[in-house]
Amino acid sequence: AQSVAQPEDQVNVAEGNPLTVKCTYSVSGNPYLFWYVQYPNRGLQFLLKYITGDNLVKGSYGFEAEFNKSQTSFHLKKPSALVSDSALYFCAVRDIGSNYQLIWGAGTKLIIKP
Amino acid sequence: DGGITQSPKYLFRKEGQNVTLSCEQNLNHDAMYWYRQDPGQGLRLIYYSQIVNDFQKGDIAEGYSVSREKKESFPLTVTSAQKNPTAFYLCASSIQGGYTFGSGTRLTVV
Repeated sequence: AQSVAQPEDQVNVAEGNPLTVKCTYSVSGNPYLFWYVQYPNRGLQFLLKYITGDNLVKGSYGFEAEFNKSQTSFHLKKPSALVSDSALYFCAVRDIGSNYQLIWGAGTKLIIKP
Repeated sequence: DGGITQSPKYLFRKEGQNVTLSCEQNLNHDAMYWYRQDPGQGLRLIYYSQIVNDFQKGDIAEGYSVSREKKESFPLTVTSAQKNPTAFYLCASSIQGGYTFGSGTRLTVV
């Protein structure tokens, strides 16, 4: 069965420091991977996706993610965190068995402290 | 601008009452979804529809109903059978895996 895991419920980072939000996946075949962000009382916003090609994917708001096939990971990163990056982050993988439906991770709350 | 609109933003329901949450999209997406989100929690799929006049139950469909009479619209009814409906409800539409979300409806039982 295909699945995605976000092992950390919460990540705390000081402003200006690099941040990493972890995601691991389990799929059969080539993975299609996504990151979304949710600000309080809002819907989710697309950040970036990996389908094929370069393992380092750049997305919105200065975020990037590194696809690592051998470790089945797709960690979200940013070189220098901003307080405004504080939000809930979701990793997702496309379910190849159900016509593009996404399987969602449980979410990681990112807190950036000034 | 293309997008997905949920209304109302806030909704209050009395015990034993049915309420309907609206979701409209002008993105020409075939697939639409309803998710429930509880505080600090992830997304749980209620119902989804991949084409007009067809929809499927998700993981937590009990106490909910939907219709898909038009491509643009996918309303969700929270029935009196849903015993704990207080939550944040998110609607999404997609094409080839790229999801667009509405801003959500916060439903509270009073």
